Amino acid sequence: AQKVTQAQTEISVVEKEDVTLDCVYETRDTTYYLFWYKQPPSGELVFLIRRNSFDEQNEISGRYSWNFQKSTSSFNFTITASQVVDSAVYFCALSRTNAGKSTFGDGTTLTVKP
Amino acid sequence: EPEVTQTPSHQVTQMGQEVILHCVPISNHLYFYWYRQILGQKVEFLVSFYNNEISEKSEIFDDQFSVERPDGSNFTLKIRSTKLEDSAMYFCASSATSGRIRETQYFGPGTRLLVL
Repeated sequence: AQKVTQAQTEISVVEKEDVTLDCVYETRDTTYYLFWYKQPPSGELVFLIRRNSFDEQNEISGRYSWNFQKSTSSFNFTITASQVVDSAVYFCALSRTNAGKSTFGDGTTLTVKP
Repeated sequence: EPEVTQTPSHQVTQMGQEVILHCVPISNHLYFYWYRQILGQKVEFLVSFYNNEISEKSEIFDDQFSVERPDGSNFTLKIRSTKLEDSAMYFCASSATSGRIRETQYFGPGTRLLVL
């Protein structure tokens, strides 16, 4: 069975602070994909990143960076110099290559205060 | 950029009524999905659909639910007799396929269903 744990229910930071959102996953599959999604107050799901299990290279996209550590089954997400517009619920998700079903974590609500 | 669209954006219905939620996946995608999110909770997988049949479904997807691809562009989720606990945001998603590797799932904006 697959499981995604986002231990941080809510995080509150002040604008320009860096913040890291944790994600720990469990799977017996050797091949799998990890995702991060942003859900702003408007409710839609915005895809941020996909990472497959064979690619442990960390990725940076602007103020966003992701740290994939297979040894600890973690896929953490860091926002550098946070902005008020980053306020949202962030979901980490896991899927099997040949099944398509994504298992989501409970989400972390990030509030960035001005 | 191509996107998944969903209609209606909001739907209010009476308990026991049938509802059909509509989705238009990205045109060259072959895998389709429905997820739901009860208010304040996490996103839950309902069903995946490929080649005109269900690939996988969760325990939530019972006999009250059905999916259909009535034509070449639409993908629908039907709830036969709605219950109060069906109130949720329903997300449609689609993905392309490259051999046996599925590409990223792209999500629609969601339909918020309220059952009274």
